[in-house]
Amino acid sequence: DTEVTQTPKHLVMGMTNKKSLKCEQHMGHRAMYWYKQKAKKPPELMFVYSYEKLSINESVPSRFSPECPNSSLLNLHLHALQPEDSALYLCASSQGLQTYEQYFGPGTRLTVT
Amino acid sequence: AQTVTQSQPEMSVQEAETVTLSCTYDTSESNYYLFWYKQPPSRQMILVIRQEAYKQQNATENRFSVNFQKAAKSFSLKISDSQLGDTAMYFCAFMTRNAGGTSYGKLTFGQGTILTVHP
Repeated sequence: DTEVTQTPKHLVMGMTNKKSLKCEQHMGHRAMYWYKQKAKKPPELMFVYSYEKLSINESVPSRFSPECPNSSLLNLHLHALQPEDSALYLCASSQGLQTYEQYFGPGTRLTVT
Repeated sequence: AQTVTQSQPEMSVQEAETVTLSCTYDTSESNYYLFWYKQPPSRQMILVIRQEAYKQQNATENRFSVNFQKAAKSFSLKISDSQLGDTAMYFCAFMTRNAGGTSYGKLTFGQGTILTVHP
């Protein structure tokens, strides 16, 4: 199974809402990533978890809160978002930070109204 | 810090023909990986091909091959016998192998090239 799954596929939320994005992989990978991608732009790295510990935070605003409950799951908690946060949020995983291949999920299309 | 430049925002090719996508990069690292990722309109990003910087031989994967010029810091992707399913956005990306650096574990992407294959 070489699949990274993400739920939901689409999410519309108001600026006062709290929601969560979920990412799951069952490849035994120990590194997981959150990216934000605007239309026709490259993905921008947000967070990296390695062995369930936050390894990289790319100075992301605190309204985005990542969580890695176990080695297969990665969540992104959203609170008080702004319209400019509307984007495609991609999750990825790799065997480890030292491993070159990242496997990407299909993404969650987020719209903030 | 590393930078990756893709100078062709959009390209098009006829089915069955060959197309080359350009990528240049800048780094002071000596040990790194280079990648081409493909993102079709359905959005899922997949790895097309990878190149280890220490290998002189150009990587190939079926219809996809690269021209890696380390001294020139150039990494182009050639797609032979283009197919309609090759229509996608293609990203060139860099990753350091230096575990001590702040960029460890990070992919640095270029701005992407939208490739359209016409029937």
